[in-house]
Amino acid sequence: DVKVTQSSRYLVKRTGEKVFLECVQDMDHENMFWYRQDPGLGLRLIYFSYDVKMKEKGDIPEGYSVSREKKERFSLILESASTNQTSMYLCASSPSDGSYNEQFFGPGTRLTVL
Amino acid sequence: AQSVSQHNHHVILSEAASLELGCNYSYGGTVNLFWYVQYPGQHLQLLLKYFSGDPLVKGIKGFEAEFIKSKFSFNLRKPSVQWSDTAEYFCAVISMEYGNKLVFGAGTILRVKS
Repeated sequence: DVKVTQSSRYLVKRTGEKVFLECVQDMDHENMFWYRQDPGLGLRLIYFSYDVKMKEKGDIPEGYSVSREKKERFSLILESASTNQTSMYLCASSPSDGSYNEQFFGPGTRLTVL
Repeated sequence: AQSVSQHNHHVILSEAASLELGCNYSYGGTVNLFWYVQYPGQHLQLLLKYFSGDPLVKGIKGFEAEFIKSKFSFNLRKPSVQWSDTAEYFCAVISMEYGNKLVFGAGTILRVKS
């Protein structure tokens, strides 16, 4: 079974703090993704990565950055957390074999910014 | 911009009722289509997918979906729902012509009354 794990299920931070969300996958997938999930808006793509040290902006990258130093790990960074970044954050991974494969999701991190 | 529309945000059904959840997407070209499900407290998981071939695809737990290219639709169906189908359902579309990014609908929350 593909396993995508996220470092925390729940996180509470204060406005202005730097926040790190970690994601690890164990299936040697090339592609990794960060989404945020908000009620009535579905999942929106923040950043994705096709390879180590590569990153591309998704639909809502403002206020976020990412890091991918190792193939299995993809980190989402909130440089200065704000209350409008309170959300559920989902990490996903998929293999890269020329087709558009399903993405495998982690359990999510519910972040509250006070 | 590319978009995915799910017709209903909340659906309430009694057990044994039939289910149809609508999904329409806004862009042409070759698309791959997915339905994901998120059970309460669980991570997002794939229900079924369409890449090519028979437009009627069958997924897990008795779900099926029909791709109608002329209507840009990929509706999800189940002839008889169970209480355990209570979950949030997301339609998602990916297209090479539009950056190879998975675009999600807003989600439909299904509650099945026992």
